[in-house]
Formats: sequence, C-alpha cells, structure tokens
Amino acid sequence: DAGVIQSPRHEVTEMGQEVTLRCKPISGHDYLFWYRQTMMRGLELLIYFNNNVPIDDSGMPEDRFSAKMPNASFSTLKIQPSEPRDSAVYFCASSLGGGTGNTIYFGEGSWLTVV
Amino acid sequence: EDQVTQSPEALRLQEGESSSLNCSYTVSGLRGLFWYRQDPGKGPEFLFTLYSAGEEKEKERLKATLTKKESFLHITAPKPEDSATYLCAVQAKGTYKYIFGTGTRLKVLA
Repeated sequence: DAGVIQSPRHEVTEMGQEVTLRCKPISGHDYLFWYRQTMMRGLELLIYFNNNVPIDDSGMPEDRFSAKMPNASFSTLKIQPSEPRDSAVYFCASSLGGGTGNTIYFGEGSWLTVV
Repeated sequence: EDQVTQSPEALRLQEGESSSLNCSYTVSGLRGLFWYRQDPGKGPEFLFTLYSAGEEKEKERLKATLTKKESFLHITAPKPEDSATYLCAVQAKGTYKYIFGTGTRLKVLA
C-alpha cells in the first residue's frame, strides 16, 4: 500500500517567488497534517484537515502561507511570497480518525531552500 | 499548554551498551503517546503508541513504557543501525493535534 506521497522532494527558489508543495495522503485516511521541521524548532504543526475541511490553522506562521485540500486525495501548501526564513523541511502526514490515539504516517518531506 | 520535552538531546553509545531515552509531557488529558524514529533525509517512521499509564510495548531491541508524566524508550544492546533521531509526540483528548518533542539524536558506535 502506498504511503503519503509528497512533491517536490527538493526545491530551491529565490526570495519572493511562489512555492507550492503537494501531498497525496494514504487512501482512506480522513485526517491530513502539514508540519514544518527545522533544527531550531523541531516539528511544528502548521495546519490539519478533517474530511477536507481545515480544522486548526493556528500554526500557520503568517498570511504568506495557505493550505487547501480540494478533495480526499490531494492537498497543497503554498507560500507566497517566499522568504529565506521559510527554508525548512515540510512534511505531510495522514491518519485515520476515530477512537483513541490515532497513528499518523508521514511522507518523505519536501526540502525547501529559499535563497 | 500541552508540552513535550525529550532528553538527552544527543546520546552516543557503544554497540551493546543499553540505555534509555526520556519523554516528559504535560497534556490536558492524554489520548495517546507516540514514538517515532527519523533517519537523515527521511520522514518520521512510526514505532509505538501508548495509551495509558503502565502500558508497555516492545519491538526488537526497543521497549517503550508510559507513566502519567513521562515515557521511556529503552534500547537494549543497541546496534549501529539503531542510530537515528527518536521523536516523541502526544495527542490530547478532544483534539487530533500531535505535539512533538525536539527529539534525541542517538549514535551507536561499532
């Protein structure tokens, strides 16, 4: 069974450019998470969706960041305009909700460098 | 505020030298505590879920335990391939948010 699929795996872009990261969650999972990982702050939750609806976006750093989930099998995280401090690894993860603690499964990440 | 603190930040062990990693947490009602392993350049890989104090889970050389305030990941007779960053996360009741610690970087020397 395919895991969480992210693209691109690596992106280098110039400051001010728009960046779009993509994610395909595990089929059947109804929760989707976007995390950012840096050496200084570790894994930070940016936003999560349930059944394609954003539930908590309190971790989105500022208005330059936006996320959408148009259907159950696709989500995007967009940064516009990008800044050097956005350089990080962005992970998408998904889980099957309901019941007690629900394991989330991560993709391989999108490594973003803004120069 | 829900919080997870892991210690030590980094740990170097000789092959076969057993040790434990700590995850202290503060959460308003625990829904679950999770351990992940992360290799360089990879996404976190799920290891264990613990739900209530007193629970234990084992997988090969790893054993995770849980109390009301902390969890331990015990590594017995580690091998170089156990070298990785180990992450702890908690999920509070009433939410599906996962709060991660900053991890313990483990290096096992042959």
